[in-house]
Amino acid sequence: EDQVTQSPEALRLQEGESSSLNCSYTVSGLRGLFWYRQDPGKGPEFLFTLYSAGEEKEKERLKATLTKKESFLHITAPKPEDSATYLCAVQAPFWAAGNKLTFGGGTRVLVKP
Amino acid sequence: ETGVTQSPTHLIKTRGQQVTLRCSSQSGHNTVSWYQQALGQGPQFIFQYYREEENGRGNFPPRFSGLQFPNYSSELNVNALELDDSALYLCASSRSQETQYFGPGTRLLVL
Repeated sequence: EDQVTQSPEALRLQEGESSSLNCSYTVSGLRGLFWYRQDPGKGPEFLFTLYSAGEEKEKERLKATLTKKESFLHITAPKPEDSATYLCAVQAPFWAAGNKLTFGGGTRVLVKP
Repeated sequence: ETGVTQSPTHLIKTRGQQVTLRCSSQSGHNTVSWYQQALGQGPQFIFQYYREEENGRGNFPPRFSGLQFPNYSSELNVNALELDDSALYLCASSRSQETQYFGPGTRLLVL
């Protein structure tokens, strides 16, 4: 069964203090690894998809990277508006029924001014 | 382009009752997936519908059921509600196996 573990559970940063979030996964066949951002009481907002080890994607202050066993979400010079829960998910392999995503527990990020 | 919408936004029910949640998929999307998110946890996959057929199911009992309509909108039905069913219910739509885009969710409280 696919498993996703995110660390740390919570992260408090000062504005401008860069940091990284970790997503470790075990899957029978990785089809895609997804990062989402979720604000309190709202649905997850899509950020990135990574498909193969070595791949990197960037968007504003966020950069996602992928290895064979984990993914990192780097937040460079964060601002208070980057405060949110960041969710990592893996997509079921091609031979599995459905397009299910298996999520980690998320990392709650608080950026203080 | 209209995104994924869900209704209602909030709902309060009592144990044993039944509930129906609704989801309209994003334009051009033919697949709808439902997730349950308990407070402080990541979303858990309930099931997925593709072209009006169930196409994959998570570890949820049969009292969780669903439908997809010809316009690709979907319903999630939960019978015999239990206290542990209190959660944020999320709908996500996609073009087949591509990226899933989530709606704002329905917050269900079971008393």
